[in-house]
Amino acid sequence: DQQVKQNSPSLSVQEGRISILNCDYTNSMFDYFLWYKKYPAEGPTFLISISSIKDKNEDGRFTVFLNKSAKHLSLHIVPSQPGDSAVYFCAASDNTDKLIFGTGTRLQVFP
Amino acid sequence: DTGVSQNPRHKITKRGQNVTFRCDPISEHNRLYWYRQTLGQGPEFLTYFQNEAQLEKSRLLSDRFSAERPKGSFSTLEIQRTEQGDSAMYLCASSFQGRDTIYFGEGSWLTVV
Repeated sequence: DQQVKQNSPSLSVQEGRISILNCDYTNSMFDYFLWYKKYPAEGPTFLISISSIKDKNEDGRFTVFLNKSAKHLSLHIVPSQPGDSAVYFCAASDNTDKLIFGTGTRLQVFP
Repeated sequence: DTGVSQNPRHKITKRGQNVTFRCDPISEHNRLYWYRQTLGQGPEFLTYFQNEAQLEKSRLLSDRFSAERPKGSFSTLEIQRTEQGDSAMYLCASSFQGRDTIYFGEGSWLTVV
């Protein structure tokens, strides 16, 4: 039972354009959401988070949007850079504080 | 470097052998987590500690797996009688408290041959 879903396994975007990565969840008890970036053979690196009391959080080029009614969140990267090429994981937690991860989306930013 | 430290980074072992991984969390972080990641999947929760107390274990953590965090500092994850299905990256993470950002180490790769 996949509680956090990233339905796009890959995404290819031109440098300078916007990258939009999507994530859906099924558990209505989730109230804290995070995005992690992962390079091969390394651990995930925290990018940005959002609490369910908000619908948007922004940090530099990264913005996360949360639509609670649709149980959907998205990560926007503007402008995309070649160094952003990596696998992006969406994660969610409830009051137990353990993270449930999606299967990831591989982003490739080309010149 | 004061990040989460894991060792060994890579381990190749024969089926049936025991292996142990160590994790040193970020200093003063009370929470310590273990996750496992296989190819094409996201990290899967295994267990976590609040100081030295193990608060939750996933059903993924069979009887062959044991984790400890003596004195609430470093943690070890032991896998007994390894099987080929145990081949994965084992990730350790830590946070100061619940709902604080969870920081991951670089992972320990296990290959069971």
